[in-house]
Amino acid sequence: KAGVTQTPRYLIKTRGQQVTLSCSPISGHRSVSWYQQTPGQGLQFLFEYFSETQRNKGNFPGRFSGRQFSNSRSEMNVSTLELGDSALYLCASSPLGGRVNTEAFFGQGTRLTVV
Amino acid sequence: GESVGLHLPTLSVQEGDNSIINCAYSNSASDYFIWYKQESGKGPQFIIDIRSNMDKRQGQRVTVLLNKTVKHLSLQIAATQPGDSAVYFCAEYGGSNYKLTFGKGTLLTVNP
Repeated sequence: KAGVTQTPRYLIKTRGQQVTLSCSPISGHRSVSWYQQTPGQGLQFLFEYFSETQRNKGNFPGRFSGRQFSNSRSEMNVSTLELGDSALYLCASSPLGGRVNTEAFFGQGTRLTVV
Repeated sequence: GESVGLHLPTLSVQEGDNSIINCAYSNSASDYFIWYKQESGKGPQFIIDIRSNMDKRQGQRVTVLLNKTVKHLSLQIAATQPGDSAVYFCAEYGGSNYKLTFGKGTLLTVNP
């Protein structure tokens, strides 16, 4: 069974640009979450989607957005990039759509560098 | 606000020894507490979780202990192996908000 696939693996963007990251969850998983990982802040929750609906959003500015498609694949977009957006962006999928999603399966992440 | 933190940023042990990684949390309303392992270049990997109404849970070579009185969580790894070298994160899960809140992480280094 294929794991969570994130594309691209590495990305370099210039300040002010926008970027779209993609995540394909494990087949059959309907919940997809996104996290930002930086050395200073650690792993921080961005948002969670289930059945194309955003159920929760973390404390990030509106420049960060996401969506989920009917096949459960998800994308996140960051507009007007800032240097501080440089981070590893991780996507995680979970098999259950209910309340308990403790076992999240993470992809390898997309390393975004903003210059 | 809610937060999950770690007592020790680094831990170095000898192969075969037992390892104990500690974590403090502040949100008493969390439903579950979880441990994740992250190896270099990979995403976090689920190790074990414990429901908030339990004190102890055992897995394969790992045991998680939860002390709600002092809001403390620990991960014990028996007979630590070089393959256990990684960053370990504790996390809490509130079922009503569908998110994991992670601590800062502890780097475990296993010396052969």
